[in-house]
Amino acid sequence: DVKVTQSSRYLVKRTGEKVFLECVQDMDHENMFWYRQDPGLGLRLIYFSYDVKMKEKGDIPEGYSVSREKKERFSLILESASTNQTSMYLCASSFIRGEVETQYFGPGTRLLVL
Amino acid sequence: GQNIDQPTEMTATEGAIVQINCTYQTSGFNGLFWYQQHAGEAPTFLSYNVLDGLEEKGRFSSFLSRSKGYSYLLLKELQMKDSASYLCAVMDSNYQLIWGAGTKLIIKP
Repeated sequence: DVKVTQSSRYLVKRTGEKVFLECVQDMDHENMFWYRQDPGLGLRLIYFSYDVKMKEKGDIPEGYSVSREKKERFSLILESASTNQTSMYLCASSFIRGEVETQYFGPGTRLLVL
Repeated sequence: GQNIDQPTEMTATEGAIVQINCTYQTSGFNGLFWYQQHAGEAPTFLSYNVLDGLEEKGRFSSFLSRSKGYSYLLLKELQMKDSASYLCAVMDSNYQLIWGAGTKLIIKP
């Protein structure tokens, strides 16, 4: 079974803090994704990566950055957390770009920014 | 713009059948996914349709009509554990997933 893990299930941070969310997958997937999920909205793509050291902006990259130094690990960074970044953050991974492949999700990190 | 529409909430009775609809307008189409998400948990894959017609998988079936931009997820013999949100997502011409807001399904005894 594919396993995608995220570093924290719940996180509370203060405005202006730098926040790191880590995601690790164990199936050698090329693609990794960071989404945020808010009530009444669909999943919104923040950043994605098709390979190590590669990253591409999704629909809402402002206020976020990412890092993919190793194939299995994809980190989301909030440079200076703000209250409007309070959300559920979901990491996902999948196979090769251009092929229709299922995305597998981690359990999510519920972030509260005070 | 790209848009996925599905009802916000539905209620059904244990043992019954429920149909959750999804309509979409996207730039290109490379398939439609249904995911199930229990409260506080990760979405999990249910089905994928790329050709018109009905795909059956146990108690769950998914239907697609590309000409109408329409899909539905059919759940039969409902069980209490089916209480969850059901997410519809379409893969566009760039192989990006466009997500609906999800339908919260409440099952009553």
